[in-house]
Parts: sequence; structure tokens; C-alpha cells
Amino acid sequence: QVQLVESGGGVVQPGRSLRLSCAASGFTFSSNTLHWVRQTPAKGLEWVALISYDANNKYYADSVKGRFIISRDNSRNTLFLQMNSLRAEDTAMYYCARGKYCSGGLCYFMGGFDSWGQGTLVTVSS
Amino acid sequence: QSALTQPASVSGSPRQSITISCTGTSSDIGTYNSVSWYQQHPGKAPKLIIYDVTNRPSGISNRFSGSTSGNTASLTISWLQAEDEADYFCSSYTGRSTLLFGGGTKLTVL
Repeated sequence: QVQLVESGGGVVQPGRSLRLSCAASGFTFSSNTLHWVRQTPAKGLEWVALISYDANNKYYADSVKGRFIISRDNSRNTLFLQMNSLRAEDTAMYYCARGKYCSGGLCYFMGGFDSWGQGTLVTVSS
Repeated sequence: QSALTQPASVSGSPRQSITISCTGTSSDIGTYNSVSWYQQHPGKAPKLIIYDVTNRPSGISNRFSGSTSGNTASLTISWLQAEDEADYFCSSYTGRSTLLFGGGTKLTVL
């Protein structure tokens, strides 16, 4: 069965960096668009970023653009999120989620996220 | 961009039907058939229950249905059951290469 397992969360000071990982299994990893989504009790769910199946296309929420970098290693079935210049408002539970196969365009945002990991908690605090 | 607008809470009795609304704009819900709905129980990850406005993933009960009218999407749950008590979130493409979620609705089964 499809499994996504996030890791790398923790407590970090404002301005520092953190790298999240998401290990995937149970499906052909190199075929799917992958996303990062974060959640806080106050703001609910917030889409963070997506990466295409071949890593050629990446899109980011305005709130993280220029600070976060999404990447993937299809040989290791692993998704990453490099988070730089962290702020208090980045504190959240971070989920990786599977999208559908897409070769470009609107379909990156269609089809919903059919599998989610259990999340990894990031706390930005001095 | 502000989140899509959902009611904070809705409630219903077992065997009744309820509808949760998700209001966006003509730039997102009003233009793109990309609305998804997620169910989230406490301490669990979200679960996809509706995608592309009306489609149910395999294994999701046909008691869940989705629709749109203008700039508003709706999730209807018929024949409410105790296990439906959860938080529900909508999402939509924004037209600017980003995705937006609703603020979430807490469903209470009385």
C-alpha cells in the first residue's frame, strides 16, 4: 500500500534552516506530482509547494517563495523540503502528499491529494 | 490571497443530510473544476473524499457528494453517521499556479 513517511522536523531558531524528508513506498514514485502541505490550529491547511514527477517544474506558495526549495530524488523514492530563513509563522505540522501524474499545466492542481504522510512538526522559536 | 470561506461548524443528527459550503471567487472556484474535499479526524492526516468537484476516490462512500454553483462549492453528506464527525476542508486551484484551502469546518453528529 502507498506509504509516505516524513522526517526532519524539530525546534529551530528564527533565521535558521531545516530540511524535511518524505520517504515513499508502495507506488511508482517517479510517476507522481508531489506536494508539501502544512497545518496549524489557527490557520488550518496551507499548500506550500509542488514538484513535478521529473522535477522539471516546481511551484510555491507566495508565503514561502524564495525561502523554501522543494526537490526529489527518484532513485531514492524521497521528497525533500529545504526551509531557509525560517520565521515563527512557519511553525506547523508539515505533510507530504501525493498528487496525480501530470506532464504540465493545470493538471498539477487537479485530482486532489490521494495519500498523505503522518506529518512532521516544525517549531520555529528562539 | 485569503483562504476559501467555509463555515466554522455544522451539525446534524444521524441519518440526516448536511451540506458544507466553500466560497471562493470567480478567479478560482468560479473558473476551475479543481475543487477537492478532505476529511480529517483528530490527530490524523487529511483524507481525500472528493476531487475535481464531483469525483469520489475508490473506497469513498457514495454518501459523500460534491457540486459547485458559481463561486461556491458544496460537500453534501447524506445519511449522517457517527464516524462522519470530523473536520472538513475544501481546496481549489487559484489560477496563479498555487492552491488554496478553506479554513475548515467542524462537523458534529448530534
